[in-house]
Amino acid sequence: LAKTTQPISMDSYEGQEVNITCSHNNIATNDYITWYQQFPSQGPRFIIQGYKTKVTNEVASLFIPADRKSSTLSLPRVSLSDTAVYYCLVGAGFYNQGGKLIFGQGTELSVKP
Amino acid sequence: DVKVTQSSRYLVKRTGEKVFLECVQDMDHENMFWYRQDPGLGLRLIYFSYDVKMKEKGDIPEGYSVSREKKERFSLILESASTNQTSMYLCASSLTGRQGTRNTEAFFGQGTRLTVV
Repeated sequence: LAKTTQPISMDSYEGQEVNITCSHNNIATNDYITWYQQFPSQGPRFIIQGYKTKVTNEVASLFIPADRKSSTLSLPRVSLSDTAVYYCLVGAGFYNQGGKLIFGQGTELSVKP
Repeated sequence: DVKVTQSSRYLVKRTGEKVFLECVQDMDHENMFWYRQDPGLGLRLIYFSYDVKMKEKGDIPEGYSVSREKKERFSLILESASTNQTSMYLCASSLTGRQGTRNTEAFFGQGTRLTVV
C-alpha cells in the first residue's frame, strides 16, 4: 500500500482558500486517492475521491497531476467550521485487491477568525 | 444513509478484563475495520475483515483479536485489557466494488472511548 506524507498542521483565516498537499510516490496503477475530514470526538467522514486530473464537489476540489505522485485538496473560502484534521489515503482499489484502508497522521487545519 | 453503530460511546474497564467492542453496520458492506486513535498518532488500523469469518491484521494487532460471524457485525476483543490500550476506538465499513469498479468510501461510527484502569 502506498505511503502518504502530508503536513502535520496548517493555519488559515476565514475566507481564504486552503490547499493541502499529499505526497504518495509509490501509488499503484489501480489506486484511488481519497480524502477524509475528522472533527474532534467524531469518526472521519469522506470528502472527495479521485483518480487523475481534477475532481470537484460541493465541499472541495482535488487536483492530481499526471504522474499521480501527489495530490492537493483545495478548500475554497474556509470558515471556522472547517477546522478539522484532514487525511489523505491511497489505495482502496479494485475489488480483487481488497479494501484495506491505511490512514497517515493527517493534517490539522486551524481556521482563525 | 449508511449507519455504523458502535455499542458504547464510553467504556471503563479494569486491567486484565476481557473487553468486547461491538460494531454493527446496516448497509450490507463486505469490508469492516477497527482502528484506534491516539493523540499525535492518527488512526492506526488494528484489524480488517473483507468477508464473514475473514480477517487480516492491520498495523497494530498485538493484544487484540476480532470476530466476524455475521456480515453486519464486527467485534474487537481485548483478551486481557492493559492501560496502554486506553484509547479511542473507531469502527468503519465499506462496500467492495464489483468487478472493474473501485471500492467505495468508508463510513465510520462515532467511536468508543475506552479507559483501562
